[in-house]
Amino acid sequence: GNSVTQMEGPVTLSEEAFLTINCTYTATGYPSLFWYVQYPGEGLQLLLKATKADDKGSNKGFEATYRKETTSFHLEKGSVQVSDSAVYFCALPRGGGATNKLIFGTGTLLAVQP
Amino acid sequence: NAGVTQTPKFQVLKTGQSMTLQCAQDMNHEYMSWYRQDPGMGLRLIHYSVGAGITDQGEVPNGYNVSRSTTEDFPLRLLSAAPSQTSVYFCASSSYIRDGYTFGSGTRLTVV
Repeated sequence: GNSVTQMEGPVTLSEEAFLTINCTYTATGYPSLFWYVQYPGEGLQLLLKATKADDKGSNKGFEATYRKETTSFHLEKGSVQVSDSAVYFCALPRGGGATNKLIFGTGTLLAVQP
Repeated sequence: NAGVTQTPKFQVLKTGQSMTLQCAQDMNHEYMSWYRQDPGMGLRLIHYSVGAGITDQGEVPNGYNVSRSTTEDFPLRLLSAAPSQTSVYFCASSSYIRDGYTFGSGTRLTVV
């Protein structure tokens, strides 16, 4: 099946700094790729997705590009805010016939300081 | 609002007690699943269902039962609670995998 490796945290940034959270994957074919965000005390929310190679997903100022050459889907934001403090998860389908199963990275905690 | 509803939000159990965590969705999603989230362990799949009447085990099914009598509901039963089951539990649903999952807000369970 497929697998995902995500940058370990925590990542601590000052407000307005540039953010990159790395995510790499191994997969058969070109599955959809996802970033989820979990704010303190809440469930996971879909942040953005890309359904095919070279697609760019974007939402709330965050972007990620599906790069098949480097098997990566890194999350970026040009200027983070305190309200972006959360845990971020990269995810993709498990594959191998498990058509609806998603597998998640271990999560990266982002702390943004004023 | 459409989505996944989990109840209760918080629960404290004594070792050996049983309880049911409720999960309901109103999006007509066929696929539903239960995860537990523990510090340093990420999300681990407990059980899942691809439709009413069909369930299967995930990575960590021991100590939990599920059933799926309707499309909307997917309850998770703890048979005899143990301290190792202290965790945050999330229910998720989806229609097509390319759309990703919709998660509930979670149940924080403490077993003492």
